[in-house]
Amino acid sequence: GAVVSQHPSRVICKSGTSVKIECRSLDFQATTMFWYRQFPKQSLMLMATSNEGSKATYEQGVEKDKFLINHASLTLSTLTVTSAHPEDSSFYICSAREGQGLYEQYFGPGTRLTVT
Amino acid sequence: GQNIDQPTEMTATEGAIVQINCTYQTSGFNGLFWYQQHAGEAPTFLSYNVLDGLEEKGRFSSFLSRSKGYSYLLLKELQMKDSASYLCAVMDSNYQLIWGAGTKLIIKP
Repeated sequence: GAVVSQHPSRVICKSGTSVKIECRSLDFQATTMFWYRQFPKQSLMLMATSNEGSKATYEQGVEKDKFLINHASLTLSTLTVTSAHPEDSSFYICSAREGQGLYEQYFGPGTRLTVT
Repeated sequence: GQNIDQPTEMTATEGAIVQINCTYQTSGFNGLFWYQQHAGEAPTFLSYNVLDGLEEKGRFSSFLSRSKGYSYLLLKELQMKDSASYLCAVMDSNYQLIWGAGTKLIIKP
């Protein structure tokens, strides 16, 4: 089956620094990638949708200058949390879809970000 | 607006059967997904329904009624490893997934 990887799996950073999270589709070309955030005991919250080669579409309330998304190739998308603060501590999950329309989303294993 | 409703938490006994319900109101419908998520892990795909009826896959079955905006996930012969959150998600007319808040299933021996 389709595999999506994320790196790093866990990261601890100091307040004010930036953190980059990578999401890769290993055995398929991901036309679209999604970035989610999940706080403890809550459901997934879609942050943004990115299509290869174009700017990401951010959900309402998500600061695009703070959460920089780059989908530079069909197998790689990155999320950079800039000037991280403790309230950004969360579980960040990416998913990838092979085509437009009715295709299954495959999830990465997630990245646990802790900002101290 | 778009809305997915499912119970927050359910408890069941090992070896028993449990049904997790999901009701939805969305802008268009291109199918309903069920995902399983263990604590600290990403969701894993369980089932997809786009037509009315029951889809059976081993111990897990999923049912859909589009006219009622209703689905359920049925888990049989419950095992302790089934303790997890179960997420219902609907794909809307823009092929975006709308997520429910998830149902935490607690299995007791």
